[in-house]
Amino acid sequence: DAGVTQSPTHLIKTRGQQVTLRCSPKSGHDTVSWYQQALGQGPQFIFQYYEEEERQRGNFPDRFSGHQFPNYSSELNVNALLLGDSALYLCASSPGQDGYTFGSGTRLTVV
Amino acid sequence: QQQVKQSPQSLIVQKGGISIINCAYENTAFDYFPWYQQFPGKGPALLIAIRPDVSEKKEGRFTISFNKSAKQFSLHIMDSQPGDSATYFCAARVPGNMLTFGGGTRLMVKP
Repeated sequence: DAGVTQSPTHLIKTRGQQVTLRCSPKSGHDTVSWYQQALGQGPQFIFQYYEEEERQRGNFPDRFSGHQFPNYSSELNVNALLLGDSALYLCASSPGQDGYTFGSGTRLTVV
Repeated sequence: QQQVKQSPQSLIVQKGGISIINCAYENTAFDYFPWYQQFPGKGPALLIAIRPDVSEKKEGRFTISFNKSAKQFSLHIMDSQPGDSATYFCAARVPGNMLTFGGGTRLMVKP
């Protein structure tokens, strides 16, 4: 049984560009959350999707947006990239309220 | 009020020793306290978790101690092994499934 799959694994973008990161949740999981992990820090909650709607949002600007598809997969979009957006972006899926499973993340570098 | 403070930032333990990592929180609405282990290039993996109605939980060599009145909880790794060398994160969940992470502890177990 595959766990959480994220793509791509690494990405380099130029400041001002837009990026889309993708996540396929673990089988049986219907809730997807996105986290940003800066180097040497703990993950910070971006937002969570359930039933194709954003259910909760952390303290991130509107440049960060997302989407969840009917098959529960999800995308994270970041517009107008800043150097400070460079981080590991983690997707976590869960079957409701408990049991987070994290993917290995997408390493985004903004130059 | 959502912050979770973790200490120490780094820890060096001899093989066979006990590793102890501490976390403190302010928000009494937190209802679930997990610990995650993260290896380089990987996402966090759930190690062990506790709810506030329990003072201690043990799984193998890993034990969580929870002090509700002091709003503190800790992870004890008994008989620490070189393979335990990783970064450890405590976290706390607000109702609704959003995790707030501590800053992480980089553990090195020397053979």
